[in-house]
Amino acid sequence: AQRVTQPEKLLSVFKGAPVELKCNYSYSGSPELFWYVQYSRQRLQLLLRHISRESIKGFTADLNKGETSFHLKKPFAQEEDSAMYYCALSGLVGSGGSNYKLTFGKGTLLTVNP
Amino acid sequence: GAGVSQSPRYKVAKRGQDVALRCDPISGHVSLFWYQQALGQGPEFLTYFQNEAQLDKSGLPSDRFFAERPEGSVSTLKIQRTQQEDSAVYLCASSPGTHGEKLFFGSGTQLSVL
Repeated sequence: AQRVTQPEKLLSVFKGAPVELKCNYSYSGSPELFWYVQYSRQRLQLLLRHISRESIKGFTADLNKGETSFHLKKPFAQEEDSAMYYCALSGLVGSGGSNYKLTFGKGTLLTVNP
Repeated sequence: GAGVSQSPRYKVAKRGQDVALRCDPISGHVSLFWYQQALGQGPEFLTYFQNEAQLDKSGLPSDRFFAERPEGSVSTLKIQRTQQEDSAVYLCASSPGTHGEKLFFGSGTQLSVL
């Protein structure tokens, strides 16, 4: 079974402070991990995925298989980072090896205060 | 269109009424997904289409839920005899490939069953 846990429902930081949004997962195979973001009055969109190993809007996330974690980090938070963040997991499904099904966490609402 | 389009944006139904939710994916996208998002929760997988074939409907909560994509483009999610527990935001997403590498989400249909 696939499970994603985001322990913090709410996270509030001041502008310029470092931010870390926690994500832990449970999956027996090789997972693919993603972070999706939803800004106010906008649709859910992909922020980053661990395979691409790129930094988007200053955010990075490292997959730690030993700790089964994929925490999202940014060294200096900006007010425009305020949004709902969802960690998601995709794993191999079916004998064909297709990995289309995403399991989402419950999300963390990040507020960056001025 | 520029993105995934869903209609209606809001739907209020009386308990027992049938509803139909429409999704127009990005043109040319092979994969189409339906997710259900209850208040305060992350999106939960309902069903997956690859072109017109429904390859996975394991997430549909009951036989009152039915989805189709007859021509491999527009999809409709139908809920028969709606119940209060069906109240949620229904999200449609499409993807260019057959894996869930990057999902493009619609704005969702917020269904309220009274």
